[in-house]
Amino acid sequence: DAKTTQPTSMDCAEGRAANLPCNHSTISGNEYVYWYRQIHSQGPQYIIHGLKNNETNEMASLIITEDRKSSTLILPHATLRDTAVYYCIVRVGGNFNKFYFGSGTKLNVKP
Amino acid sequence: GAVVSQHPSWVICKSGTSVKIECRSLDFQATTMFWYRQFPKQSLMLMATSNEGSKATYEQGVEKDKFLINHASLTLSTLTVTSAHPEDSSFYICSARDLLAGPPYEQYFGPGTRLTVT
Repeated sequence: DAKTTQPTSMDCAEGRAANLPCNHSTISGNEYVYWYRQIHSQGPQYIIHGLKNNETNEMASLIITEDRKSSTLILPHATLRDTAVYYCIVRVGGNFNKFYFGSGTKLNVKP
Repeated sequence: GAVVSQHPSWVICKSGTSVKIECRSLDFQATTMFWYRQFPKQSLMLMATSNEGSKATYEQGVEKDKFLINHASLTLSTLTVTSAHPEDSSFYICSARDLLAGPPYEQYFGPGTRLTVT
């Protein structure tokens, strides 16, 4: 079962920063937080992951609270092509490292 | 970067027939592959975990005799939907984990296969 909760949808103006929140209050100490996105009728695309520290790559930044119970994905300059469903996932530990997807956040980037 | 392919990208079959979907890791070896199903306007649902050389493990509520999974090599896993019915129509997505990668055990996803059962 998914261990994360996210808002159902969010709007963002093109060129502005998109901040997508995620709650994962039951996260364990060695569990990573992953963010993926899915553009309509495609497979999920990896964005970023983190454990404790904030992370940044060419696509986005990930801010994790000190207690690790929530995180925020930041797309610094959203474009129309960033319109997608964004999934925050906490990996279930164990040998197989399964992902259970929650409902995700539909980000609508508007001109 | 790591690439996962699926074949076919879409398939239409008649009710009662079986259909096979292939999932390949193109530039890495995957000891573990995962199969998901996604209905319209819903999230991905994990169906099963496929391990090379061993039997797949299925999530609760997924019929193992209906969804046959074979992971015969480190680069190929197949999902066969047997005796398909219209309610099996869905978007099937696979993912793979790189054998050599340690934490954080990122999964690489395929582009998905659209199955329509008539």
